[in-house]
Amino acid sequence: AQKVTQAQTEISVVEKEDVTLDCVYETRDTTYYLFWYKQPPSGELVFLIRRNSFDEQNEISGRYSWNFQKSTSSFNFTITASQVVDSAVYFCALSEDTDMRFGAGTRLTVKP
Amino acid sequence: DAGVTQSPTHLIKTRGQQVTLRCSPKSGHDTVSWYQQALGQGPQFIFQYYEEEERQRGNFPDRFSGHQFPNYSSELNVNALLLGDSALYLCASSSDRGPNYGYTFGSGTRLTVV
Repeated sequence: AQKVTQAQTEISVVEKEDVTLDCVYETRDTTYYLFWYKQPPSGELVFLIRRNSFDEQNEISGRYSWNFQKSTSSFNFTITASQVVDSAVYFCALSEDTDMRFGAGTRLTVKP
Repeated sequence: DAGVTQSPTHLIKTRGQQVTLRCSPKSGHDTVSWYQQALGQGPQFIFQYYEEEERQRGNFPDRFSGHQFPNYSSELNVNALLLGDSALYLCASSSDRGPNYGYTFGSGTRLTVV
């Protein structure tokens, strides 16, 4: 069965600090996809990244970076030099087939 | 290019009533999935529609039903509303049967059952 755990319910940092959001997943499939989404107060889920299970290469996009480690079933997300606009709820998600299983989310607050 | 459009944005219903939520997918997308997001939780998969048929269903009772029209738009119907049905309902469209090539989410319909 699919399961996604985001142990950090809320994180608060001061602007320009680096912050890492943790994600641990469980799946029996060898082929799966992992995602991160951002949900601002408006409610819309904004796609950040997709990674398939055969690609463990880490990725960097501007201030965002992702660390995928199959050995520990983790897919962590780091924001470097955080900004106030990064304040939102962030969700990690897992997909094996047609539906997507989300974690409970981490609420990130970046204070000026 | 319009993304996913959901209507209405907010809705208040009384326990026991029925409600219909609507979703227009992103242009070029033919698959629509519905998710329920309770306050403080992650979205939970309700069901997915493709070619006007329900292709997969999550762990939701039969009170939740849906429909997809020939233009790919979709409706989510909930009968006999319970207080626990209060949530943000998100519609996601894709150009594939599944989310693996990327969902586009709408802003959701916030349903409050009183």
